[in-house]
Amino acid sequence: EAGVAQSPRYKIIEKRQSVAFWCNPISGHATLYWYQQILGQGPKLLIQFQNNGVVDDSQLPKDRFSAERLKGVDSTLKIQPAKLEDSAVYLCASSLVPGTIQETQYFGPGTRLLVL
Amino acid sequence: DQQVKQNSPSLSVQEGRISILNCDYTNSMFDYFLWYKKYPAEGPTFLISISSIKDKNEDGRFTVFLNKSAKHLSLHIVPSQPGDSAVYFCAATDSGTYKYIFGTGTRLKVLA
Repeated sequence: EAGVAQSPRYKIIEKRQSVAFWCNPISGHATLYWYQQILGQGPKLLIQFQNNGVVDDSQLPKDRFSAERLKGVDSTLKIQPAKLEDSAVYLCASSLVPGTIQETQYFGPGTRLLVL
Repeated sequence: DQQVKQNSPSLSVQEGRISILNCDYTNSMFDYFLWYKKYPAEGPTFLISISSIKDKNEDGRFTVFLNKSAKHLSLHIVPSQPGDSAVYFCAATDSGTYKYIFGTGTRLKVLA
């Protein structure tokens, strides 16, 4: 079974530029998550989708970050404009519908973003 | 406000010995806990979990212990192997939100 796919793996941009990340979850997984992991910290949830609807975006900086999951499969996360503090690894994860708490999240390899 | 804490940033253990990684939490609503392992340039991979109705869960060389009164969990790896060298994250969630809250991670180095 293929895992969670993410691209690109690495991205270097200058501050105030825009950037987009792509995620393809495990086939059949209805729930998709985007996390931000700053160096030395644990992953922090930015947004959670169930199918193509947003479940939780309370920690998404909506003035510069946006995400969409058209057709309930692939998802893109965009930052516009980027700031230095956005340098981090952006992780995508997916799970089956979280009907039970034992529904484990499976992570992709992440996109490492460096903002100069 | 860090709800999940891993106070040891790093740990070194000799091959064949026991590795013990610790995690503390503050939110009494958490009722499910997980450990993830992360190698460099890869995403976290699920290792083992435990529900709050249990105090121990075992899977091969990995055992997780939960002490609810102390709001503390630990991961034991016996015997430790060089391939276990990675960063280990504990995470906690509750059955209301299913939202994972991660600790800051502990880097384990198993010395051959």
